[in-house]
Amino acid sequence: NAGVTQTPKFQVLKTGQSMTLQCAQDMNHNSMYWYRQDPGMGLRLIYYSASEGTTDKGEVPNGYNVSRLNKREFSLRLESAAPSQTSVYFCASSKIGGGLGGTVNEQFFGPGTRLTVL
Amino acid sequence: DQQVKQNSPSLSVQEGRISILNCDYTNSMFDYFLWYKKYPAEGPTFLISISSIKDKNEDGRFTVFLNKSAKHLSLHIVPSQPGDSAVYFCAASARAGNNRKLIWGLGTSLAVNP
Repeated sequence: NAGVTQTPKFQVLKTGQSMTLQCAQDMNHNSMYWYRQDPGMGLRLIYYSASEGTTDKGEVPNGYNVSRLNKREFSLRLESAAPSQTSVYFCASSKIGGGLGGTVNEQFFGPGTRLTVL
Repeated sequence: DQQVKQNSPSLSVQEGRISILNCDYTNSMFDYFLWYKKYPAEGPTFLISISSIKDKNEDGRFTVFLNKSAKHLSLHIVPSQPGDSAVYFCAASARAGNNRKLIWGLGTSLAVNP
């Protein structure tokens, strides 16, 4: 059981380049999330997918797009990278993210991708 | 405007003693609170949670206390061990339409000295 895996672990981009961060989970979780963590800013939600086939914006979605490819995989794309997107990106998953029941389940995190945009 | 505040960026404790990490929140709509632990170069891992209908939840060496009137919660680690040295995040959850939002504090770095 690998849990939540993320690729790549490190990436350096030039301003304007594009890239996709990959995330996969093998826990059969319904919900998946992308966060960024910056010094002094805590964890901020970029996008989330409450269930397969749905995606929603989080707190800081500008400059990003996501794809929930299937139940296992949730990718984050930077179309034109900017230095302000230099950060550590975490993917997470949970059994149920919310929904009508409002149940709160713990989120399981991947190891992170450290991205530098020059 | 931080809705979840961890006012102590760092804390140093002697091995075997109690570690107390604090968290304050401003939004009375939060009804569920979670603590996560994070080691360097790893993702956060879930530690313990508490619903707003309770005032205490215990799991082994870890206890979370909730004071709703003060909008304050704390994580107690007894006894503290060197392996507990990590950054601890407090997170609060509230309903947002048909979903929920999770708001994170900035974290407190705990150092447990042998």
